[in-house]
Amino acid sequence: AQSVTQPDIHITVSEGASLELRCNYSYGATPYLFWYVQSPGQGLQLLLKYFSGDTLVQGIKGFEAEFKRSQSSFNLRKPSVHWSDAAEYFCAVGDGSNYQLIWGAGTKLIIKP
Amino acid sequence: DTGVSQNPRHKITKRGQNVTFRCDPISEHNRLYWYRQTLGQGPEFLTYFQNEAQLEKSRLLSDRFSAERPKGSFSTLEIQRTEQGDSAMYLCASSPEGATNEKLFFGSGTQLSVL
Repeated sequence: AQSVTQPDIHITVSEGASLELRCNYSYGATPYLFWYVQSPGQGLQLLLKYFSGDTLVQGIKGFEAEFKRSQSSFNLRKPSVHWSDAAEYFCAVGDGSNYQLIWGAGTKLIIKP
Repeated sequence: DTGVSQNPRHKITKRGQNVTFRCDPISEHNRLYWYRQTLGQGPEFLTYFQNEAQLEKSRLLSDRFSAERPKGSFSTLEIQRTEQGDSAMYLCASSPEGATNEKLFFGSGTQLSVL
């Protein structure tokens, strides 16, 4: 079955510390992978995506993610978090031609001052 | 470009009542999507329009749910005879023609509470 797993429901990090949010997927075809961020009262915003090519992709707001096919993972990273990064982060997978993205349950990021 | 607009932001209704939500996509976007999101979960796809044609519907979209996009611009999502299990955030997204999922632009959603 196709699925996306985000193992961490909540993650708390100190401002200025590095961040890694985990995403594992199960998908029968070549996956198109996405990270979205949802801030309170805001719509989901695309951070970055992977379709093909370089497995390390850069996104907005200083985020990056690495696609590891052997581990079926697409983890999101940021070297130094800011208080404004506090939000919920969603990983999603699709096949590029199908508009029914499969979403993870999300990871809520809490920033300690 | 004012983004995707959804109204109302919040809706409280009693079980058994009908509710209707509206979505105004980004003006030049041909494609419009509806998703449902419950607490602690990611969005679940409901339906998708290209212009005025409804091209895909999820099995989650029971016969109590109906969506329209009559002129290929704004869309409405109606839920008839609401149930407590319908309580969720209803999200609308749009994308330009020719784009894959990467070009989804989401609205802030309509939070439905069924009492």
